Amino acid sequence: QQQVKQSPQSLIVQKGGISIINCAYENTAFDYFPWYQQFPGKGPALLIAIRPDVSEKKEGRFTISFNKSAKQFSLHIMDSQPGDSATYFCAASMGSNYQLIWGAGTKLIIKP
Amino acid sequence: DAGVIQSPRHEVTEMGQEVTLRCKPISGHNSLFWYRQTMMRGLELLIYFNNNVPIDDSGMPEDRFSAKMPNASFSTLKIQPSEPRDSAVYFCASSFAGAADTQYFGPGTRLTVL
Repeated sequence: QQQVKQSPQSLIVQKGGISIINCAYENTAFDYFPWYQQFPGKGPALLIAIRPDVSEKKEGRFTISFNKSAKQFSLHIMDSQPGDSATYFCAASMGSNYQLIWGAGTKLIIKP
Repeated sequence: DAGVIQSPRHEVTEMGQEVTLRCKPISGHNSLFWYRQTMMRGLELLIYFNNNVPIDDSGMPEDRFSAKMPNASFSTLKIQPSEPRDSAVYFCASSFAGAADTQYFGPGTRLTVL
């Protein structure tokens, strides 16, 4: 019940296309859902996060869609660029005193 | 701000040796996290400190691993004795207000145990 299941494991998208990464969870107590981006040789960095009181959050080309009833959330990258090539992690938490539960990661490659 | 500082960046050691990894969190952050990342197991939380006190150490693999945070600006992760299966990238991260706040990761320490 503590797991966050992320798919796909890897994804190849043409430049200019839309990249979509999905995550699913079971624990309805989760109330914080961040996405982190990791470039090779670097630590993960927060990209965008959402709380369950909204169904969508957009920051530039990056959008989180949140479906509370389905217990799913997804990251959409519009107009994908080669510089977006990285590993993306979804995560979930029940609150500040609880650890982040991490998805397994998606390696995204944007082909020029 | 310099960000989270980790040292060393790379460590190569032989099986059975003691390894100490160091971390300096961002000033003013009250939470510190140690993670391990491998291809096989992904990103794993080892231990989480809040105000220098360990909150969750359920991810520490076994007694060979220990972590301390003697003050708000320094933490260590020690492996004694080290084993080849400990080879991984170890990340330290800090946040202003707990696990549900933005975690800022350091550059990581790549540990190789021969």
